[in-house]
Amino acid sequence: NFRLTQPHSVSEFPGKTVTISCTRSSGSIGSNYVQWYQQRPGSSPTTVIYEDNQRPSGVPDRFSGSIDSSSNSASLTISGLKTEDEADYYCQSYDSSNQVFGGGTKLTVL
Amino acid sequence: EVQLVQSGAEVKKPGESLKISCKGFGYSFARYWIGWVRQMPGKGLEWMGIIYPGDSDTRYSPSFQGQATISADKSVTTAYLQWSSLKASDTAIYYCARLNYDTSGYFYFYYWGQGTLVTVSS
Repeated sequence: NFRLTQPHSVSEFPGKTVTISCTRSSGSIGSNYVQWYQQRPGSSPTTVIYEDNQRPSGVPDRFSGSIDSSSNSASLTISGLKTEDEADYYCQSYDSSNQVFGGGTKLTVL
Repeated sequence: EVQLVQSGAEVKKPGESLKISCKGFGYSFARYWIGWVRQMPGKGLEWMGIIYPGDSDTRYSPSFQGQATISADKSVTTAYLQWSSLKASDTAIYYCARLNYDTSGYFYFYYWGQGTLVTVSS
């Protein structure tokens, strides 16, 4: 099994850009897709990025995903931050027998 | 439109049994894996297990094997999570989610239910 490690929290001002990382402990980050979920306070998770960099319909293009083989990590970038982006964000990936979630990152929009 | 509608909040005593549900709408229920995810108070998401309603093939996270039972009834497009003897540590929100397939045939969580709060307290 592998783990996905995220920073506990990040913060940034409205209008700015923030990036949340997700590092895979073993195995290549590129071997299986990475997803990102947003969970606003008191709400269920919603998918904001799937298959590394794809956005579901309705998710603004301010949200983007990428992977970096050199650091074995995935990243979620949110540009033009809005107060409504304040939430917990979870990365997720899988292998042939397990689904793995990162520990979550609390995004505070200052 | 794909929707997953979960049953309502439950308050139970330790030792009691419980079965919560997740009804799927707007897609071919039997053909997609459904999973259950636990979120303990103030904590992150934990994968419990997944089931393929078409043939009831079920896979559990090693962390949750034996802790709860996942089942599905494709005739009523509903998946279930049940406990035979609840513990206080089972207090959490439980989410169901439908999984999507990737190009390799693996799958990942995509559509989420609204969650069911289970409180176990004496």
